[in-house]
Amino acid sequence: QKEVEQNSGPLSVPEGAIASLNCTYSDRGSQSFFWYRQYSGKSPELIMFIYSNGDKEDGRFTAQLNKASQYVSLLIRDSQPSDSATYLCAVMADNNDMRFGAGTRLTVKP
Amino acid sequence: ETGVTQSPTHLIKTRGQQVTLRCSSQSGHNTVSWYQQALGQGPQFIFQYYREEENGRGNFPPRFSGLQFPNYSSELNVNALELDDSALYLCASSYDRDSGEQYFGPGTRLTVT
Repeated sequence: QKEVEQNSGPLSVPEGAIASLNCTYSDRGSQSFFWYRQYSGKSPELIMFIYSNGDKEDGRFTAQLNKASQYVSLLIRDSQPSDSATYLCAVMADNNDMRFGAGTRLTVKP
Repeated sequence: ETGVTQSPTHLIKTRGQQVTLRCSSQSGHNTVSWYQQALGQGPQFIFQYYREEENGRGNFPPRFSGLQFPNYSSELNVNALELDDSALYLCASSYDRDSGEQYFGPGTRLTVT
């Protein structure tokens, strides 16, 4: 059983739309949640982190966490072609073991 | 740029050989984690080093070993290379072992033939 699950996509949205990326995790003891962006051929880049239930906003990005449902999401408002990348959800357990999902590939069409 | 560097960029080895990959963490970051990323997959946690000691390990065999040095550099050593070890190897540094806010280096692409 995969521990961090994401839709592999590809997810395609038009420029200016809202992109919604979802992630579920199996370890109820997980405490910290992260979203990384990975452009093709590059390494992951941290874009958001969230530790408490609810929403956290940073510019065009909003992370949402629901620990009861074991669900974390990332919303990207006013999507731009430069947002086209693979988005990795990562979950850290108590033992500092960071588990990544396989990623969702997002394409923003001009 | 994250300030994390890795060398070499690419490497080709033969099955059964040994390899050492290097990472230089961001200044002030006392924790480094190593990951293996196969094509089309997310990074898989190999191990973490905090102040020169192993601080956690993923589901990788003992032939994957590491070292961390006082000057913020670290190494990943892999013995008895197998074809399945072909992957992108990433190191990520963080300011503390409890911080999941990690900053990745550009990676080393290892090909085992």
